[in-house]
Amino acid sequence: AQRVTQPEKLLSVFKGAPVELKCNYSYSGSPELFWYVQYSRQRLQLLLRHISRESIKGFTADLNKGETSFHLKKPFAQEEDSAMYYCALAHGSGNTGKLIFGQGTTLQVKP
Amino acid sequence: EAQVTQNPRYLITVTGKKLTVTCSQNMNHEYMSWYRQDPGLGLRQIYYSMNVEVTDKGDVPEGYKVSRKEKRNFPLILESPSPNQTSLYFCASSLWEGGGYNEQFFGPGTRLTVL
Repeated sequence: AQRVTQPEKLLSVFKGAPVELKCNYSYSGSPELFWYVQYSRQRLQLLLRHISRESIKGFTADLNKGETSFHLKKPFAQEEDSAMYYCALAHGSGNTGKLIFGQGTTLQVKP
Repeated sequence: EAQVTQNPRYLITVTGKKLTVTCSQNMNHEYMSWYRQDPGLGLRQIYYSMNVEVTDKGDVPEGYKVSRKEKRNFPLILESPSPNQTSLYFCASSLWEGGGYNEQFFGPGTRLTVL
């Protein structure tokens, strides 16, 4: 069965420290993976997707098919990064609209 | 302004009283989807639609119905709500070009309490 696991409910770091939010997935095919973010009092929004290989707001994520992981990283956390982060998986074939989200990780960046 | 709207934003109801949560988008998106968000469980997909008159089940469809008669609207219907459907509900929409996934735009959420 397809599954997305975010093992940390809460990740607390100090400003300027590196951040890594973990995401592991279970999927037999070729997945499409995303990170969505929800800042306080804002709507859930796309942060980045693996096929675009972009760096958004200093965040990057690399798909590691061997480890079935898509961890989100940032070298130097900022207070404005504090938010809830969701990892999501979609079928790579694009023929189905199913999207599976992880449980979410709250990132707290302390001053 | 391009956006997804949901109504109502807050709703308290009683067990068994049918209700509808509306979702509307003005971006001409083909794809629309409903999710529920519960503590510790994250977002779970209820139903989705890839175009008008095309709907399919997500991971937790039990107790819910949807319809897609127009491209812009995707209402979520609870025929007989129960307390375990107390949750925060999100609607989202996106383009569906070539069958691939595009950025989903989310609504503001509807907080439903079923007593």
